[in-house]
Amino acid sequence: DQQVKQNSPSLSVQEGRISILNCDYTNSMFDYFLWYKKYPAEGPTFLISISSIKDKNEDGRFTVFLNKSAKHLSLHIVPSQPGDSAVYFCAASRVVGAQKLVFGQGTRLTINP
Amino acid sequence: GAGVSQSPSNKVTEKGKDVELRCDPISGHTALYWYRQRLGQGLEFLIYFQGNSAPDKSGLPSDRFSAERTGESVSTLTIQRTQQEDSAVYLCASSFWGRGRVGELFFGEGSRLTVL
Repeated sequence: DQQVKQNSPSLSVQEGRISILNCDYTNSMFDYFLWYKKYPAEGPTFLISISSIKDKNEDGRFTVFLNKSAKHLSLHIVPSQPGDSAVYFCAASRVVGAQKLVFGQGTRLTINP
Repeated sequence: GAGVSQSPSNKVTEKGKDVELRCDPISGHTALYWYRQRLGQGLEFLIYFQGNSAPDKSGLPSDRFSAERTGESVSTLTIQRTQQEDSAVYLCASSFWGRGRVGELFFGEGSRLTVL
Protein backbone atom coordinates (compact mmCIF):
# COMPACT_ATOMS: atom_id res chain seq x y z
CA ASP A 1 0.00 0.00 0.00
CA GLN A 2 1.78 3.11 -1.28
CA GLN A 3 0.65 5.84 1.10
CA VAL A 4 2.79 8.53 -0.54
CA LYS A 5 3.01 8.63 -4.32
CA GLN A 6 5.11 10.57 -6.74
CA ASN A 7 3.74 9.65 -10.14
CA SER A 8 6.43 11.32 -12.24
CA PRO A 9 9.70 9.38 -12.11
CA SER A 10 11.51 12.15 -13.96
CA LEU A 11 11.20 15.78 -14.95
CA SER A 12 13.34 17.92 -17.23
CA VAL A 13 13.27 21.73 -16.97
CA GLN A 14 15.23 24.49 -18.61
CA GLU A 15 17.50 26.59 -16.40
CA GLY A 16 15.74 29.71 -15.15
CA ARG A 17 12.26 28.24 -15.53
CA ILE A 18 9.96 26.94 -12.80
CA SER A 19 10.19 23.31 -11.68
CA ILE A 20 7.03 21.79 -10.21
CA LEU A 21 7.22 18.44 -8.47
CA ASN A 22 4.04 16.73 -7.35
CA CYS A 23 3.11 14.33 -4.59
CA ASP A 24 -0.12 12.64 -3.50
CA TYR A 25 -0.92 10.89 -0.25
CA THR A 26 -3.72 8.64 0.88
CA ASN A 27 -3.53 8.63 4.67
CA SER A 28 -5.59 11.49 6.13
CA MET A 29 -3.79 11.05 9.48
CA PHE A 30 -0.63 12.58 8.05
CA ASP A 31 -0.22 16.12 9.36
CA TYR A 32 3.32 17.00 8.40
CA PHE A 33 4.92 16.90 4.98
CA LEU A 34 8.49 17.26 3.85
CA TRP A 35 10.66 17.32 0.77
CA TYR A 36 14.10 15.77 0.71
CA LYS A 37 16.74 16.14 -1.97
CA LYS A 38 19.24 13.45 -2.91
CA TYR A 39 22.39 13.65 -4.97
CA PRO A 40 24.03 10.46 -6.32
CA ALA A 41 26.08 8.52 -3.74
CA GLU A 42 24.84 10.77 -0.94
CA GLY A 43 22.10 10.40 1.63
CA PRO A 44 18.92 12.46 1.28
CA THR A 45 18.97 15.91 2.86
CA PHE A 46 16.07 17.90 4.26
CA LEU A 47 14.85 20.67 1.97
CA ILE A 48 11.57 22.15 3.17
CA SER A 49 8.52 21.13 5.18
CA ILE A 50 4.93 22.17 5.81
CA SER A 51 2.44 21.54 8.58
CA SER A 52 -1.14 20.63 7.75
CA ILE A 53 -2.32 23.85 9.40
CA LYS A 54 -0.74 25.78 6.53
CA ASP A 55 -1.25 25.68 2.79
CA LYS A 56 2.04 27.27 1.77
CA ASN A 57 5.59 27.52 3.04
CA GLU A 58 8.35 29.41 1.31
CA ASP A 59 12.12 29.28 1.71
CA GLY A 60 14.08 31.24 -0.85
CA ARG A 61 13.61 29.69 -4.27
CA PHE A 62 11.61 26.79 -2.82
CA THR A 63 7.90 26.85 -2.05
CA VAL A 64 5.75 23.95 -0.93
CA PHE A 65 2.00 24.02 -1.42
CA LEU A 66 -0.43 21.77 0.41
CA ASN A 67 -3.98 21.00 -0.69
CA LYS A 68 -5.46 18.91 2.12
CA SER A 69 -8.82 18.32 0.46
CA ALA A 70 -7.06 16.83 -2.56
CA LYS A 71 -4.37 15.16 -0.44
CA HIS A 72 -1.82 16.72 -2.73
CA LEU A 73 1.35 18.71 -2.26
CA SER A 74 3.77 20.25 -4.67
CA LEU A 75 7.24 21.73 -4.60
CA HIS A 76 8.00 24.76 -6.74
CA ILE A 77 11.55 25.79 -7.53
CA VAL A 78 11.94 29.24 -9.06
CA PRO A 79 14.21 29.93 -10.85
CA SER A 80 15.62 26.48 -11.47
CA GLN A 81 19.40 26.15 -11.41
CA PRO A 82 21.71 23.37 -12.65
CA GLY A 83 22.62 22.53 -9.04
CA ASP A 84 18.98 21.64 -8.42
CA SER A 85 19.42 18.52 -10.56
CA ALA A 86 18.81 15.69 -8.08
CA VAL A 87 16.20 13.19 -6.97
CA TYR A 88 13.45 14.76 -4.86
CA PHE A 89 11.52 12.70 -2.34
CA CYS A 90 8.23 13.69 -0.83
CA ALA A 91 7.63 12.40 2.72
CA ALA A 92 4.77 12.47 5.20
CA SER A 93 4.50 11.97 8.91
CA ARG A 94 2.44 12.54 11.98
CA VAL A 95 3.78 15.19 14.32
CA VAL A 96 2.67 13.26 17.38
CA GLY A 97 4.48 10.00 17.99
CA ALA A 98 7.58 8.69 16.28
CA GLN A 99 8.90 10.86 13.50
CA LYS A 100 8.56 7.92 11.18
CA LEU A 101 8.57 9.34 7.69
CA VAL A 102 6.78 7.62 4.82
CA PHE A 103 8.52 8.43 1.56
CA GLY A 104 7.40 8.53 -2.04
CA GLN A 105 9.32 6.89 -4.87
CA GLY A 106 11.16 10.04 -5.84
CA THR A 107 11.29 12.26 -8.93
CA ARG A 108 14.55 12.78 -10.78
CA LEU A 109 14.81 16.45 -11.75
CA THR A 110 17.21 17.48 -14.49
CA ILE A 111 17.86 21.16 -15.13
CA ASN A 112 19.13 21.80 -18.62
CA PRO A 113 21.38 24.81 -19.30
CA GLY B 1 33.23 13.27 11.38
CA ALA B 2 30.16 15.28 12.15
CA GLY B 3 27.73 13.33 9.99
CA VAL B 4 26.10 9.90 10.08
CA SER B 5 28.66 7.28 9.15
CA GLN B 6 27.78 3.91 7.60
CA SER B 7 29.91 0.90 6.80
CA PRO B 8 30.59 -0.87 4.59
CA SER B 9 29.75 1.47 1.73
CA ASN B 10 29.49 -1.51 -0.61
CA LYS B 11 28.90 -5.18 0.13
CA VAL B 12 28.61 -8.02 -2.35
CA THR B 13 27.55 -11.35 -0.91
CA GLU B 14 26.28 -14.70 -2.01
CA LYS B 15 22.72 -15.77 -1.50
CA GLY B 16 22.28 -17.47 1.86
CA LYS B 17 25.09 -15.63 3.64
CA ASP B 18 24.56 -13.34 6.63
CA VAL B 19 25.53 -9.65 6.47
CA GLU B 20 25.97 -6.92 9.06
CA LEU B 21 25.64 -3.24 8.31
CA ARG B 22 26.85 -0.63 10.75
CA CYS B 23 25.67 2.91 11.51
CA ASP B 24 27.33 5.57 13.66
CA PRO B 25 24.79 8.35 14.25
CA ILE B 26 25.54 11.99 14.93
CA SER B 27 26.70 12.39 18.53
CA GLY B 28 23.85 13.37 20.81
CA HIS B 29 21.10 12.26 18.45
CA THR B 30 18.63 10.16 20.39
CA ALA B 31 16.66 8.76 17.47
CA LEU B 32 18.05 6.37 14.86
CA TYR B 33 16.32 4.97 11.80
CA TRP B 34 17.03 2.37 9.15
CA TYR B 35 15.52 2.71 5.69
CA ARG B 36 16.23 0.87 2.49
CA GLN B 37 15.88 1.85 -1.13
CA ARG B 38 15.54 -0.87 -3.72
CA LEU B 39 16.19 -0.04 -7.35
CA GLY B 40 13.54 2.31 -8.70
CA GLN B 41 11.70 2.44 -5.38
CA GLY B 42 11.28 5.00 -2.65
CA LEU B 43 12.76 4.86 0.81
CA GLU B 44 11.19 2.02 2.77
CA PHE B 45 11.09 2.31 6.59
CA LEU B 46 12.63 -0.65 8.40
CA ILE B 47 13.14 0.12 12.09
CA TYR B 48 13.34 3.04 14.52
CA PHE B 49 15.14 3.43 17.86
CA GLN B 50 14.42 6.20 20.37
CA GLY B 51 16.43 6.30 23.57
CA ASN B 52 15.65 3.40 25.87
CA SER B 53 12.19 2.78 24.44
CA ALA B 54 11.38 -0.46 22.67
CA PRO B 55 12.28 -0.11 18.99
CA ASP B 56 9.59 0.22 16.36
CA LYS B 57 10.23 -2.83 14.20
CA SER B 58 7.07 -2.54 12.15
CA GLY B 59 8.94 -2.09 8.85
CA LEU B 60 11.19 -5.15 9.02
CA PRO B 61 10.17 -7.29 6.02
CA SER B 62 10.87 -10.69 7.58
CA ASP B 63 12.38 -12.38 10.62
CA ARG B 64 15.66 -12.61 8.72
CA PHE B 65 16.11 -8.93 9.49
CA SER B 66 17.11 -7.66 12.92
CA ALA B 67 18.77 -4.58 14.36
CA GLU B 68 20.37 -3.55 17.58
CA ARG B 69 21.47 -0.28 19.05
CA THR B 70 23.95 0.23 21.87
CA GLY B 71 22.61 2.99 24.08
CA GLU B 72 22.37 6.12 21.98
CA SER B 73 25.26 5.24 19.71
CA VAL B 74 26.13 2.60 17.17
CA SER B 75 23.48 0.47 15.48
CA THR B 76 23.90 -2.77 13.54
CA LEU B 77 21.42 -4.09 10.99
CA THR B 78 21.76 -7.83 10.44
CA ILE B 79 20.29 -9.73 7.52
CA GLN B 80 20.43 -13.51 7.83
CA ARG B 81 20.32 -15.95 4.91
CA THR B 82 20.32 -13.13 2.37
CA GLN B 83 18.10 -13.34 -0.69
CA GLN B 84 18.44 -11.56 -4.01
CA GLU B 85 15.46 -9.34 -3.20
CA ASP B 86 17.45 -7.96 -0.25
CA SER B 87 19.70 -6.14 -2.72
CA ALA B 88 19.25 -2.45 -1.98
CA VAL B 89 20.89 0.63 -0.51
CA TYR B 90 20.42 0.56 3.24
CA LEU B 91 20.26 4.05 4.69
CA CYS B 92 20.69 5.00 8.31
CA ALA B 93 19.48 8.31 9.70
CA SER B 94 19.52 10.02 13.07
CA SER B 95 17.78 12.99 14.62
CA PHE B 96 17.20 14.87 17.83
CA TRP B 97 13.95 13.67 19.33
CA GLY B 98 11.77 16.66 20.17
CA ARG B 99 14.35 19.19 19.05
CA GLY B 100 15.18 20.73 15.72
CA ARG B 101 12.79 20.75 12.80
CA VAL B 102 10.07 18.12 12.88
CA GLY B 103 10.89 15.29 10.54
CA GLU B 104 14.42 16.44 9.80
CA LEU B 105 16.46 13.30 9.60
CA PHE B 106 20.18 13.32 8.92
CA PHE B 107 21.06 10.48 6.59
CA GLY B 108 24.29 8.65 6.00
CA GLU B 109 25.52 7.85 2.51
CA GLY B 110 24.15 4.35 2.70
CA SER B 111 25.45 0.80 2.39
CA ARG B 112 24.87 -0.74 -1.02
CA LEU B 113 24.14 -4.45 -0.67
CA THR B 114 24.25 -6.75 -3.68
CA VAL B 115 23.18 -10.36 -3.23
CA LEU B 116 24.31 -12.62 -6.05
